[in-house]
Amino acid sequence: AQRVTQPEKLLSVFKGAPVELKCNYSYSGSPELFWYVQYSRQRLQLLLRHISRESIKGFTADLNKGETSFHLKKPFAQEEDSAMYYCALYNFNKFYFGSGTKLNVKP
Amino acid sequence: DAGVTQSPTHLIKTRGQQVTLRCSPKSGHDTVSWYQQALGQGPQFIFQYYEEEERQRGNFPDRFSGHQFPNYSSELNVNALLLGDSALYLCASSLEGTARGYSYNEQFFGPGTRLTVL
Repeated sequence: AQRVTQPEKLLSVFKGAPVELKCNYSYSGSPELFWYVQYSRQRLQLLLRHISRESIKGFTADLNKGETSFHLKKPFAQEEDSAMYYCALYNFNKFYFGSGTKLNVKP
Repeated sequence: DAGVTQSPTHLIKTRGQQVTLRCSPKSGHDTVSWYQQALGQGPQFIFQYYEEEERQRGNFPDRFSGHQFPNYSSELNVNALLLGDSALYLCASSLEGTARGYSYNEQFFGPGTRLTVL
């Protein structure tokens, strides 16, 4: 069965520090993986997808099939990065979301 | 374009009652998905509607049903409400078809309807 695990409920870092939000998945095929973000009082929105291999707002995520991970990274965190982050796996028109990690970037 | 809209914003019901939630997709979108998000959890997929048919369903009982109208708007119905149905219900819309060869098309989420069951 498909499952997405985000082991950290809360991650606090200082501004300018590197940040890594962890995501592990279980899926037997070739997954399509995403990171979604929800800023305070805003809607859930797509941050990035692994297929496009792009960097959005300085964030990148690499799919590691051997470790079944899709960690989200940013070298220098900014205060405006504070938000709730969800990792998600897509399969046959279904999305499987992790439970989310709240990122708090302190000044 | 207001994006995805949902109504009502909040709703309070008692156990055993029935509830209907509504969703209007983003302009140009033809596919609607519904999610349940319990407190402290990520969204859980309920079902997806495309061409007025339920195309895919998550692990939810038959008490959860839906409908999609010709204008692509959608309703989520929940019968015989339980306390555990209290949650934020999210609607997301997308446009069917492949984009640049991807099987996924970006989903745009609505603000959600907060359902409280007493």
